[in-house]
Amino acid sequence: DQQVKQNSPSLSVQEGRISILNCDYTNSMFDYFLWYKKYPAEGPTFLISISSIKDKNEDGRFTVFLNKSAKHLSLHIVPSQPGDSAVYFCAATDSGGGADGLTFGKGTHLIIQP
Amino acid sequence: ETGVTQTPRHLVMGMTNKKSLKCEQHLGHNAMYWYKQSAKKPLELMFVYSLEERVENNSVPSRFSPECPNSSHLFLHLHTLQPEDSALYLCASSQDTGTSGIYEQYFGPGTRLTVT
Repeated sequence: DQQVKQNSPSLSVQEGRISILNCDYTNSMFDYFLWYKKYPAEGPTFLISISSIKDKNEDGRFTVFLNKSAKHLSLHIVPSQPGDSAVYFCAATDSGGGADGLTFGKGTHLIIQP
Repeated sequence: ETGVTQTPRHLVMGMTNKKSLKCEQHLGHNAMYWYKQSAKKPLELMFVYSLEERVENNSVPSRFSPECPNSSHLFLHLHTLQPEDSALYLCASSQDTGTSGIYEQYFGPGTRLTVT
């Protein structure tokens, strides 16, 4: 039973346009969410996070939006660049859950086309 | 060395072998984690260590045995593995297990394990 779902295995976007990656979760105890980026042969790299007390967090070209009522979050990348081509993982945790680690989605492979 | 390092990067072992994976973090963190990533599956948490004490064992078979001699080093000892244990094993570290309100984990490059 997947608690964090990324329903799009892949996404292709033209360079310069906006990339929107989606993530849904089912566990209502999750209150902190993170996005990671992974290149082949490397470990996941932390990108941006958001606490459930916010609905938006922005860092340069990256913005994460959280819709708690829909249990949905999205990562916007604008403008998309060739170096953004990677697998993006959504992750979540329950801040009151102790040492539960992070629960990850399966990832979305973003391909930026020139 | 910076960040989180893992050795070896690739490992092929038979089902009767014993091997160990090593992880070292250079970030001054107090918590370390082992995750497993199988093909077409999300990362799965295996073990959590906080200040060298195991605080979580996520129903992992006993053929996987972790060891954390100090807050910078983490090992995963492997013995009598099965072919279905072939996966990418990722080590991560974080400042703590969330008591500071910081939840970001930093990952190593992983060890690609193949059990034959």
